[in-house]
Amino acid sequence: QVQLVQSGAEVKKPGASVKVSCKASGYTFTSYAMHWVRQAPGQRLEWMGWINAGNGNTKYSQKFQGRVTITRDTSASTAYMELSSLRSEDTAVYYCARDPGDLTIFGVVIGWFDPWGQGTLVTVSS
Amino acid sequence: EIVLTQSPGTLSLSPGERATLSCRASQSVSSSYLAWYQQKPGQAPRLLIYGASSRATGIPDRFSGSGSGTDFTLTISRLEPEDFAVYYCQQYGSSHLTFGGGTKVEIK
Repeated sequence: QVQLVQSGAEVKKPGASVKVSCKASGYTFTSYAMHWVRQAPGQRLEWMGWINAGNGNTKYSQKFQGRVTITRDTSASTAYMELSSLRSEDTAVYYCARDPGDLTIFGVVIGWFDPWGQGTLVTVSS
Repeated sequence: EIVLTQSPGTLSLSPGERATLSCRASQSVSSSYLAWYQQKPGQAPRLLIYGASSRATGIPDRFSGSGSGTDFTLTISRLEPEDFAVYYCQQYGSSHLTFGGGTKVEIK
């Protein structure tokens, strides 16, 4: 079955960067896009961006443009999300989630999320 | 950016009762590109509905979605104990994907 397993919790100081990984299994990694979504305490879910795991193309939310970088390693079936210039407001659970559309068939990112990784808590504190 | 407003914020119901959750968009959601998720404490969200009314694989038929344009509804016909959770709507009709603020369904 499709499974996404994320890296463990991180504690970072303000101004630092964090890189979260998401290892996929159970499907052809390069045929789907991967999204990143975060959930800060008491806040709504927030979409950050996606990567086409086949060709590496990315699209980012304007809110995070310039601070977020999503990459992938096709040999490891793993996607990564790096967020830089961290501040306390970035304290959140970060999720990866697969797009449902097979890019080799549909050619476009659809934009809903299934399944999700288990989440990675990133705490930003001095 | 399409802003999604969910109501009510909290719904207090008993098992066996019907739950009706609302999601209103600040502008029309093209092609009814709206999804619903369930989230329990300490867990990742789980997809329930996509395309406003299509149930995801393995989702019981007591969950149903409806609506179009700017007004969407998630209905749980008879609440089971495992249905008490937070529910989020999400639109994917624009390239900037957005979520509603959530409705908590709690045991009365």
